[in-house]
Amino acid sequence: KAGVTQTPRYLIKTRGQQVTLSCSPISGHRSVSWYQQTPGQGLQFLFEYFSETQRNKGNFPGRFSGRQFSNSRSEMNVSTLELGDSALYLCASSLNAGATDTQYFGPGTRLTVL
Amino acid sequence: DAKTTQPNSMESNEEEPVHLPCNHSTISGTDYIHWYRQLPSQGPEYVIHGLTSNVNNRMASLAIAEDRKSSTLILHRATLRDAAVYYCIPVSAGNMLTFGGGTRLMVKP
Repeated sequence: KAGVTQTPRYLIKTRGQQVTLSCSPISGHRSVSWYQQTPGQGLQFLFEYFSETQRNKGNFPGRFSGRQFSNSRSEMNVSTLELGDSALYLCASSLNAGATDTQYFGPGTRLTVL
Repeated sequence: DAKTTQPNSMESNEEEPVHLPCNHSTISGTDYIHWYRQLPSQGPEYVIHGLTSNVNNRMASLAIAEDRKSSTLILHRATLRDAAVYYCIPVSAGNMLTFGGGTRLMVKP
């Protein structure tokens, strides 16, 4: 079975731009969650989608948004990029909603904001 | 969410057992204890989880204290590939993973 894939793997943007990251979950998984990892804050939960509905949201500003499609693929969008948004963005998929199900992480998208 | 305390770093020799401790004294009675690890330049990967009883799988063993206020992840024979940051995470039903700082395990050949 193919693992979680994320595209692109690397991205460079400038302040004020917006960016869209994509995540394809493991086949059959209906839950996709997103995490941000920075050296200063560590791994922080952004949001979770299950069956195209946002179930949980972390403590991030409204510039961070996401969606899930009927095939369970998910995208996250960051508008009006700031330098502090430079991070590794990880997505994880699982069969069911919530983290009591094993989460399978992708390799991440490394975003650099200049 | 329950708070966890883990050593910042630990060192082990290759082929020796490693015991990674985690304190989670505020855990609720229904929280599962999950362990994930993150190898360099990779996303986290699931290691093991348990509720009350000790658990074994092909990667590791998990020993949970009787009062559930602490747990220990046991790698029976550390290899260089086990060098990673290990996260102990109490998980409540319906909630998501809350990562702490984890323990950076270094394995010496």
